Amino acid sequence: DTGVSQDPRHKITKRGQNVTFRCDPISEHNRLYWYRQTLGQGPEFLTYFQNEAQLEKSRLLSDRFSAERPKGSFSTLEIQRTEQGDSAMYLCASGSRQASSGNTIYFGEGSWLTVV
Amino acid sequence: KQEVTQIPAALSVPEGENLVLNCSFTDSAIYNLQWFRQDPGKGLTSLLLIQSSQREQTSGRLNASLDKSSGRSTLYIAASQPGDSATYLCAPPGDDKIIFGKGTRLHILP
Repeated sequence: DTGVSQDPRHKITKRGQNVTFRCDPISEHNRLYWYRQTLGQGPEFLTYFQNEAQLEKSRLLSDRFSAERPKGSFSTLEIQRTEQGDSAMYLCASGSRQASSGNTIYFGEGSWLTVV
Repeated sequence: KQEVTQIPAALSVPEGENLVLNCSFTDSAIYNLQWFRQDPGKGLTSLLLIQSSQREQTSGRLNASLDKSSGRSTLYIAASQPGDSATYLCAPPGDDKIIFGKGTRLHILP
């Protein structure tokens, strides 16, 4: 257990439905990252937050994707009007930005999405 | 823009062999480098963290080295075991987002 929790662990949804994933990071971490991973590929960067501010969002993300971290603690990733191509594992990671060590990050177990 | 390449993409070796996994990155303005392990269907587990001021880090049978100037890191696994079978990923965090390579899929044959 890394201390980063994700919910739900698995989600099956019909094409066109909306889904939301939640990530609870390690409490003292101010950075939170979302990644998407498909079989045989490395984690693909989606977006990241420092506290409640969303600092960068990948151009690969369509407008159907939105992420929030309202109080600088937990985060949600919502996918609207899901498509079969959204089927993947969505990974959350948290870290603390410290000048001496940069970013040391810890991952959750991931949330599997299957769009049928 | 950071790009990370891992070689080989896949590796199958008999149990007991020593092996080396390679990671190269294009932007050397990094604070440290992390090596991760990922089992099928699972999240990533941090194995080793090498600070930019260090050249190597050891944990049990694992040894990782970092050469910032050449943009390279290696992960050395000694006396491999079937339980080492997994995908190994490296990530060189900079000041912002963290980019991963595709990883090396390792299979240790009993």
